[in-house]
Amino acid sequence: DTGVSQDPRHKITKRGQNVTFRCDPISEHNRLYWYRQTLGQGPEFLTYFQNEAQLEKSRLLSDRFSAERPKGSFSTLEIQRTEQGDSAMYLCASSLQGARNTEAFFGQGTRLTVV
Amino acid sequence: AQTVTQSQPEMSVQEAETVTLSCTYDTSENNYYLFWYKQPPSRQMILVIRQEAYKQQNATENRFSVNFQKAAKSFSLKISDSQLGDTAMYFCAFIPLGGFKTIFGAGTRLFVKA
Repeated sequence: DTGVSQDPRHKITKRGQNVTFRCDPISEHNRLYWYRQTLGQGPEFLTYFQNEAQLEKSRLLSDRFSAERPKGSFSTLEIQRTEQGDSAMYLCASSLQGARNTEAFFGQGTRLTVV
Repeated sequence: AQTVTQSQPEMSVQEAETVTLSCTYDTSENNYYLFWYKQPPSRQMILVIRQEAYKQQNATENRFSVNFQKAAKSFSLKISDSQLGDTAMYFCAFIPLGGFKTIFGAGTRLFVKA
């Protein structure tokens, strides 16, 4: 296992289309996070899973956004009816609950461009 | 509310010189972790250094060290002997002990010049 992987790396879509991103966390990590990062800003928290349970959702996550982690392993983030304001880098991260080192390990991100 | 502030949007340093990036944070928590993450251009974010708030000793990792001032809620990063590969965005981040949400600052873009 080489780390957190995200697919695709880049996505260009037309406004109004639906898109889905995938994240594969580090295999032994039970916590998974989605963040959004716009140009020149730090990552902003979107949502968090512990195993398969989605325990927290940010107010940034409108009802057009949905995330799943069906078997507590990989996760998907779907955006319906995309808008130009959704253009951003979507970062996935994972960590291990209870570990002394609580830092999150990040994937390379999916850059979404809505045209 | 917990916030992280990085007041330097951009900095530059000559190769082999030393540079210090500033970070302040606001929290009512007493136990927490602080991090500096590095995000090179078009590459993934990686952890540079970590500090536990209950430890008075400042963390060091090779050329990277921090100045942690808990009372002042300050957490600066010093990079010694800067290298061209240090060119990146640097994010200061905070997470309370037992928490799950890492809170990031807006970042400082560091350029290392040859």
